[in-house]
Amino acid sequence: AQKITQTQPGMFVQEKEAVTLDCTYDTSDPSYGLFWYKQPSSGEMIFLIYQGSYDQQNATEGRYSLNFQKARKSANLVISASQLGDSAMYFCAMRVPNAGNNRKLIWGLGTSLAVNP
Amino acid sequence: DGGITQSPKYLFRKEGQNVTLSCEQNLNHDAMYWYRQDPGQGLRLIYYSQIVNDFQKGDIAEGYSVSREKKESFPLTVTSAQKNPTAFYLCATQLEPRGNQPQHFGDGTRLSIL
Repeated sequence: AQKITQTQPGMFVQEKEAVTLDCTYDTSDPSYGLFWYKQPSSGEMIFLIYQGSYDQQNATEGRYSLNFQKARKSANLVISASQLGDSAMYFCAMRVPNAGNNRKLIWGLGTSLAVNP
Repeated sequence: DGGITQSPKYLFRKEGQNVTLSCEQNLNHDAMYWYRQDPGQGLRLIYYSQIVNDFQKGDIAEGYSVSREKKESFPLTVTSAQKNPTAFYLCATQLEPRGNQPQHFGDGTRLSIL
């Protein structure tokens, strides 16, 4: 079954330190994409970073990087130099083929990150 | 400004009433999506549309209806058949329905029962 698992319901990190948010996925399809989104308390969903299954290098976007370990089926998000504004829910999602050649996103349950001053 | 506009931000529904949530985009994206989010849950797909005048059911379409008469607009109606409509509803767009681009989201609508 296609599934995303985020095992950390809540995480704390000290300001300016790095933090890793875990995401494991399950799919038998060789072609898939992995996304991370941030959802502040205001509710909007903000795209952070993308990793394709055939990408040779780990994705990076500013302070965000993705630790992609294909054999272990993990795609952990690393946030460097945490800021107070990083406090939010973080969701991992996977895009897989759907019926009729469509593609849909499968979402994890999220990890709540709190950055302490 | 380019973006996705959802309205209203908060909506209250009476028993037996249909309500419509608006989603408008000026990003010129082909695909549009409606998701439902319950507390402590991830997003669940209600309906999606790849082109004008076409839409497909998602995982939890029962009690909901949509239309896509214009590229810019994808309204969601929560019908009286949806017995537990209290949730946060998010509209999303994507440049191409089968591409690897990310989905972009509006600010959401919180729906509650009166």
